[in-house]
Amino acid sequence: GAGVSQSPRYKVAKRGQDVALRCDPISGHVSLFWYQQALGQGPEFLTYFQNEAQLDKSGLPSDRFFAERPEGSVSTLKIQRTQQEDSAVYLCASSLMGTLPDTQYFGPGTRLTVL
Amino acid sequence: EDKVVQSPLSLVVHEGDTVTLNCSYEVTNFRSLLWYKQEKKAPTFLFMLTSSGIEKKSGRLSSILDKKELFSILNITATQTGDSAVYLCAVGSGNTPLVFGKGTRLSVIA
Repeated sequence: GAGVSQSPRYKVAKRGQDVALRCDPISGHVSLFWYQQALGQGPEFLTYFQNEAQLDKSGLPSDRFFAERPEGSVSTLKIQRTQQEDSAVYLCASSLMGTLPDTQYFGPGTRLTVL
Repeated sequence: EDKVVQSPLSLVVHEGDTVTLNCSYEVTNFRSLLWYKQEKKAPTFLFMLTSSGIEKKSGRLSSILDKKELFSILNITATQTGDSAVYLCAVGSGNTPLVFGKGTRLSVIA
């Protein structure tokens, strides 16, 4: 596609619900990143894939967060038993090369609100 | 711990003014510094800087990196209301993904 796309754009969840956020990277991009952006803050790294391999998940805040990219293209970020502190914009980015660092292109994000 | 600090945090200027945004960093094994513009949701890429002293320019925007003093500046000349956004600075180092600053919120008023 022309750019990185994410869905849904907005998600409201009740505390305790599970949510799944989808990212479609730019076609052919090897690397895919998930970031969490709280209001008034810069994006913070969650996890990173090179093709289907999850190379770094050190930024995931708890074991309720899980990400996958089974075929090396689309990725899903899943949050189990959501908490209010999970409310944020979740940004996905992709880059062409498999080596770091490289220009990352961002999707529009999913704004998650946990009530 | 890698750190990126941007200043000022917010700035209000009139159309036609020139602004300078600052980004300083402390990282191990620096590789590159990137500037992004964030209006509604997606940060959009502006520049990637890897070498000191070489200015990158795109229209009214320009940026330069000083690897000795560990900072970068982003200049915007003849500002327009469409320049209003949050400007994010990020640093790539070693094998870690980007580390972002908190951003500078620029408001350009007519």
